[in-house]
Amino acid sequence: ELKVEQNPLFLSMQEGKNYTIYCNYSTTSDRLYWYRQDPGKSLESLFVLLSNGAVKQEGRLMASLDTKARLSTLHITAAVHDLSATYFCAVADSGGGADGLTFGKGTHLIIQP
Amino acid sequence: NAGVMQNPRHLVRRRGQEARLRCSPMKGHSHVYWYRQLPEEGLKFMVYLQKENIIDESGMPKERFSAEFPKEGPSILRIQQVVRGDSAAYFCASSPVWKETQYFGPGTRLLVL
Repeated sequence: ELKVEQNPLFLSMQEGKNYTIYCNYSTTSDRLYWYRQDPGKSLESLFVLLSNGAVKQEGRLMASLDTKARLSTLHITAAVHDLSATYFCAVADSGGGADGLTFGKGTHLIIQP
Repeated sequence: NAGVMQNPRHLVRRRGQEARLRCSPMKGHSHVYWYRQLPEEGLKFMVYLQKENIIDESGMPKERFSAEFPKEGPSILRIQQVVRGDSAAYFCASSPVWKETQYFGPGTRLLVL
């Protein structure tokens, strides 16, 4: 059974600082996604990572994937208040498991002025 | 270019009643996924459907829950004889083909009294 673990689960940081969210998963996967969710809202797709060494950047967010370590990171550079949200990583099982995505528990990010 | 649509957005039911949640995928998308989100948790995969077919229901509770995606009309997630533990946000996602990025709807927040 595919398991996805994120850490930290809660993160409070100041504007202007850098930080990294980690996502570990337990079995082989050919796709990893990062989503953002604002309170009471739906999920917004941020990145999809398909291959080992993949790196994608959008604004102050950068995501990377190491399939050998089964690890993805979401790096926040010079955080701003608007980035406050819950960030989920989600992994697709390529080993014959469920067709849906397996989500981590999410990282609640609060960025204080 | 409407996104994934879900209705109702909020649904209140008393224990023992039935809940029907509807999902219209994005235009051009024929793959639909249902997920459940409990408070402070990540999303849990329930079922994956294509038109008129259930492809993977490995995440569906064995009793009281059913899903369909008819040839015409929206996908429906049906919960019979609801209990308080069914209270959650139910999200629908769609993709154009299998293994493409899933786009999420706004969710239906079900409250069972």
